[in-house]
Amino acid sequence: EAQVTQNPRYLITVTGKKLTVTCSQNMNHEYMSWYRQDPGLGLRQIYYSMNVEVTDKGDVPEGYKVSRKEKRNFPLILESPSPNQTSLYFCASSLGGFANTEAFFGQGTRLTVV
Amino acid sequence: GENVEQHPSTLSVQEGDSAVIKCTYSDSASNYFPWYKQELGKGPQLIIDIRSNVGEKKDQRIAVTLNKTAKHFSLHITETQPEDSAVYFCAATGGAGSYQLTFGKGTKLSVIP
Repeated sequence: EAQVTQNPRYLITVTGKKLTVTCSQNMNHEYMSWYRQDPGLGLRQIYYSMNVEVTDKGDVPEGYKVSRKEKRNFPLILESPSPNQTSLYFCASSLGGFANTEAFFGQGTRLTVV
Repeated sequence: GENVEQHPSTLSVQEGDSAVIKCTYSDSASNYFPWYKQELGKGPQLIIDIRSNVGEKKDQRIAVTLNKTAKHFSLHITETQPEDSAVYFCAATGGAGSYQLTFGKGTKLSVIP
């Protein structure tokens, strides 16, 4: 089954404790992206990747890091999480680029930073 | 960059009625306009999209219209059913050469049986 898999689905952590949210897709898509979803703000792009070793900032990249060492994986790293990063996070992938083809989203990771 | 405004933020309709959600965008170079449906506890899923060389597109009970001159596009759902209850997001590209998809803030649609 074609899918984007995120782990974990739920995470509660403390301020300053480094964490990684994993994302993997099995569709051989070149494009991957991370979004955060907050009430009243919709989906905002954090980082995106056009291919292995090629990444760029989205609209809200502060406090986040990403890496793309393999085509299928695109982890999101929070080096020193803060409470304002409490949010619902989605990973997405696309075959032809998010600007002109369908984006496939994972199930989401609900992160709480206390 | 691109800015997408979406209205209304909440919408309640009786089962069988029609629902309309409207979006405006700012970048006249934008050329791809998808709509995503997000059910509770799930990620968004594409339901329909339209490109700038088309004015209207239909898929069974859903349709999207695009007015490039006015820079707005709308989602129309006819004969609504309880399973249409969800959050709907419109989106627009950032224009030529952009890899970014900018989303509206979402509309929570409730279909009352």
